[in-house]
Amino acid sequence: EEQLAESGGGLVKPGRSLRLSCAASGFDFNNYNMNWVRQAPGKGLEWVSSISSSSSYIYYADSVRGRFTISRDNARNSLYLQMNSLRVEDTAVYFCARIGRFYDSSDNPVEGLDVWGKGTTVSVSS
Amino acid sequence: DIQMTQSPSSLAASVGDRVTITCRASQSITNYLNWYQQMPGKAPKLLIYAASSLQSGVPSRFSGSGSGTDFTLTIASLQPEDFATYYCQQSYSLPRTFGQGTKVES
Repeated sequence: EEQLAESGGGLVKPGRSLRLSCAASGFDFNNYNMNWVRQAPGKGLEWVSSISSSSSYIYYADSVRGRFTISRDNARNSLYLQMNSLRVEDTAVYFCARIGRFYDSSDNPVEGLDVWGKGTTVSVSS
Repeated sequence: DIQMTQSPSSLAASVGDRVTITCRASQSITNYLNWYQQMPGKAPKLLIYAASSLQSGVPSRFSGSGSGTDFTLTIASLQPEDFATYYCQQSYSLPRTFGQGTKVES
């Protein structure tokens, strides 16, 4: 079974750091681009960051650029999110998600987040 | 950034009802539109990709349509397990953006 499992969440004070991990199993992790998505309490989904399969391409939301760093270790089937200078507004459940590759009716490649972890909770409070 | 706007934000429905949720993009995203279902306290689940393609294992009562800026998710006959929040998401450009969600409740 294709699975993702996040860990590393917790309660931290503003300005501190936290490192999230996401362990993949049941699929060839090397071949997939990956995402972090977060959800603040009672709010909707927010894309945070993406990384390509070989780490060649990395993208961030404006809200985290310069503070968060996404990385991966394909040998360990793991995805990471290093979060520095945390703010109260970073409080959320953080999900890792696989970027699945699909094709539309015209055989054009498209993507969708087809495998998700259960999430890990990050709380930033003084 | 492309803004995704869903309507309504919530709706009340009964088992057996036909339910329609709309999603509008602030610019054309052709068919780069996905739909997700999220149960309370759970991770989202991919229902529809490329605006109208059903993800493997998703019941056929779910369907998607639209292109350009206007999209629709339809549940043909609402089942008890379909009470959830639904999100659209564009995969046309970065940053990937989601709609604000539509909560389907009884």
